[in-house]
Amino acid sequence: DIQMTQSPSSLSASVGDRVTITCRASQSIRNYLNWYQQKPGKAPKLLIYAASSLQSGVPSRFSGSGSGTDFTLTISSLQPEDFASYYCQQSYSTPLTFGGGTKVEIK
Amino acid sequence: QVQLQESGPGLVKPSETLSLTCTVSGGSITSDYWNWIRQPPGKGLEWIGNIYYSGSTKFNPSLKSRVTISLDTSKNQFSLTLSSVTAADTAVYYCGRSRYGSGSYGYYGMDVWGQGTTVIVSS
Repeated sequence: DIQMTQSPSSLSASVGDRVTITCRASQSIRNYLNWYQQKPGKAPKLLIYAASSLQSGVPSRFSGSGSGTDFTLTISSLQPEDFASYYCQQSYSTPLTFGGGTKVEIK
Repeated sequence: QVQLQESGPGLVKPSETLSLTCTVSGGSITSDYWNWIRQPPGKGLEWIGNIYYSGSTKFNPSLKSRVTISLDTSKNQFSLTLSSVTAADTAVYYCGRSRYGSGSYGYYGMDVWGQGTTVIVSS
């Protein structure tokens, strides 16, 4: 299985801050990397697919980059509704695997 | 707009079989891939497996011996059964849609999710 490691596991930030979350794969996954946002009690929501493509309807303050083993999710200016958990997920091989998650909290 | 809705018992006894159904509305199940994902309380996401409309399935090896995923095109539903459950199978279970691209059934991510259903394994 491909292991996905996210860092940090949690962070505190203020509204307006630029936030970066990192995801590392245990082997190259090319650009087969997706990012999700999950709020408490809700299903995950797809933000980014194929490492850098913005899902329809997702605000442009979200962006993704990377290829191979190292990937980042950036929120350019954190908004109140962005406080949530974020997960990366590889779709390069079976089984699909997720990172452990990053919880973004209010400072 | 495609919507998914999970249904099934919220309580299952240890050693018994968990059975859940996901109903697809607003679109046809005869395309795309249909996935099951779970999330234990306070923990991360685990992909269980998926089914293509042709009936072809893929499973997480960690659960493969206990999992069955099936499709009912007449009802626009797909189902999950997980046998010999233990407390470790207590989780929120989600169904989700993914689309094929660049040789992967998950390349475009899981773009539609059900709201999730909580399953507790307890006697």
